[in-house]
Amino acid sequence: GAVVSQHPSWVICKSGTSVKIECRSLDFQATTMFWYRQFPKQSLMLMATSNEGSKATYEQGVEKDKFLINHASLTLSTLTVTSAHPEDSSFYICSASGPPSYEQYFGPGTRLTVT
Amino acid sequence: QKEVEQNSGPLSVPEGAIASLNCTYSDRGSQSFFWYRQYSGKSPELIMFIYSNGDKEDGRFTAQLNKASQYVSLLIRDSQPSDSATYLCAVSDTGTASKLTFGTGTRLQVTL
Repeated sequence: GAVVSQHPSWVICKSGTSVKIECRSLDFQATTMFWYRQFPKQSLMLMATSNEGSKATYEQGVEKDKFLINHASLTLSTLTVTSAHPEDSSFYICSASGPPSYEQYFGPGTRLTVT
Repeated sequence: QKEVEQNSGPLSVPEGAIASLNCTYSDRGSQSFFWYRQYSGKSPELIMFIYSNGDKEDGRFTAQLNKASQYVSLLIRDSQPSDSATYLCAVSDTGTASKLTFGTGTRLQVTL
């Protein structure tokens, strides 16, 4: 199956700083990428959907100015958590979708801890 | 608001038994249904998807869909300890590239 990578796999940052998470599709062209957040013992919550070359579409309640998403190429999307606070500590997971199957392939996730 | 409901479990079954996982969804317009397995601390991995009413089998896994009842299930035959994980049901209102709405997952424990 298709491979999606995320970097870093875990990150610890201080409150008020910004953190960038990368999501790459390694062996296919991802026309759409999705960013999810998962808090402990909860399900995945979709944060935003991005199509290559277009602005991301954010879900209700997700602050677009706080969670900056860029999908500049068919293999790379980035999520930047700006001015991170402890409540942003979570497991962030991306998924990528593209031709021919258009299935969603998930990255391994990034665990963010804000101190 | 679209909702996907699952019993959180844990569902405990002995090794070799059949595990039955259930999921109901609120949006009658949902068209695609997915089962993901998630090990603790890992991201989800796709097990099966189903689009049409009825059963779909893949190895030890069978997905069952009943759109009239807005119900989808996953059967795992000959359960193994390695099947112990959280199983997430997800639905989409169109094809696979669409937004997925996830349930909260059912934790399955396969005991020796």
